[in-house]
Amino acid sequence: DTGVSQNPRHKITKRGQNVTFRCDPISEHNRLYWYRQTLGQGPEFLTYFQNEAQLEKSRLLSDRFSAERPKGSFSTLEIQRTEQGDSAMYLCASSRTGEAFFGQGTRLTVV
Amino acid sequence: AQRVTQPEKLLSVFKGAPVELKCNYSYSGSPELFWYVQYSRQRLQLLLRHISRESIKGFTADLNKGETSFHLKKPFAQEEDSAMYYCALSTTDGGKIFVFGPGTRLSVLP
Repeated sequence: DTGVSQNPRHKITKRGQNVTFRCDPISEHNRLYWYRQTLGQGPEFLTYFQNEAQLEKSRLLSDRFSAERPKGSFSTLEIQRTEQGDSAMYLCASSRTGEAFFGQGTRLTVV
Repeated sequence: AQRVTQPEKLLSVFKGAPVELKCNYSYSGSPELFWYVQYSRQRLQLLLRHISRESIKGFTADLNKGETSFHLKKPFAQEEDSAMYYCALSTTDGGKIFVFGPGTRLSVLP
């Protein structure tokens, strides 16, 4: 499968723990996005990279969230001190010039 | 600020009936508009984009800048069209962020 790949697919964690998700974009795509989706809502923008530079961050992204894209390839999204409100599907997408291609997502459940 | 609205959370039609999924947007610049579809247990995928002016799976959408709308239409719905549909706009200044609407669940009844 040469599409966008996200790992893990599911993550259950206890409140207060840190979690890290990984996204491998389509190889020639220089743009990478993270979105969060909760039940009944559309994807909400979190952050955007062009190559290794993080160019945009949503106000939704509190200081407990951090994202990196070293060397402009894969990206990681870390959530520190997780809260129950962080439970959601975290989507990664990549793009070159036009449409965004999405991964399957990582479903986070904070208990 | 950029915003996409989809007034219907759920739309049910019978097989063979016409379907129209509404989308309105607000953006001060000149946006690119997209429709994404998510079938059960599958990832979000592009259905169509306004600049290509294609018809995909019988769906079409016309950008109306005066009404700031990008409604999705199909003359004869099929059961396999049942899915979540998201309208999205891509900003064209700076970061090219994709902003999504809340989605409409289309249910095509036999």
